[in-house]
Amino acid sequence: DVKVTQSSRYLVKRTGEKVFLECVQDMDHENMFWYRQDPGLGLRLIYFSYDVKMKEKGDIPEGYSVSREKKERFSLILESASTNQTSMYLCASSSNPGTSGGASGELFFGEGSRLTVL
Amino acid sequence: AQSVSQHNHHVILSEAASLELGCNYSYGGTVNLFWYVQYPGQHLQLLLKYFSGDPLVKGIKGFEAEFIKSKFSFNLRKPSVQWSDTAEYFCAVNAHNAGNMLTFGGGTRLMVKP
Repeated sequence: DVKVTQSSRYLVKRTGEKVFLECVQDMDHENMFWYRQDPGLGLRLIYFSYDVKMKEKGDIPEGYSVSREKKERFSLILESASTNQTSMYLCASSSNPGTSGGASGELFFGEGSRLTVL
Repeated sequence: AQSVSQHNHHVILSEAASLELGCNYSYGGTVNLFWYVQYPGQHLQLLLKYFSGDPLVKGIKGFEAEFIKSKFSFNLRKPSVQWSDTAEYFCAVNAHNAGNMLTFGGGTRLMVKP
C-alpha cells in the first residue's frame, strides 16, 4: 500500500512564525501535491511538484513556498504565518500514467496536518 | 479552468435510506472522474473512479456512480446507507489537458442516523 506520511498532525503557531510542514511518500511517485482543506471550500491546490527541484503554483500559492530536494519528500513552508492560514493541510502523491500501475489523476493522501495560527 | 460543483453541503439520512450526491463539472473535453471519502479522523481515500468504458462505475462498500457526459455529471449513489457511511464525500475531476492535477468540489458532509 502507498503510504504518505505527514510529520505533524497538529500544530499551533503564532502570527509571524515560520512554519514547515513535511511530507514523505514511500512509493517512488513522481508527483506530489499540497492542498488545504477548509469547510465548504473543498480542497484547494497550493503547490505541486512533478519532479525533484521542480515546482508549480496551484490555485492559492500566495503566502506559501515549497521545497522538493528528494523525490520522496515535499515540504510546505509558511514564511510568516497569518491567522487566515489556519487550516487543514493535506499532502498527496501520484504516479505518472503507465508507471507503477498508476492512472492519471489518482491521488494518495496523507492524514493531514491541522495548523492553528494564533 | 475546470470547476466542480457539489450541490449538497450537508445531507442527513436515516439508515437504510437511499443516497444520491450530485456532482457537476464544467470542462468540455475528456475527463477522469473520482469520488473520495473522508471518514471522521481519517485521511481521504478513493471510493471509485471513472476513466473510460461503462459509465456506471462500482466502488467499494456498495457505492456506485454514473457518468452522464451530456449532463457533465458524475453522481454518487448507494441504495441503502449505513451508520458507518457517515463521512465527507468529495467529487474530483482530472481534465486530460491538466496533466496530473485534480480539481475538487466543495464536499458533501453526510450524516447517517442510526
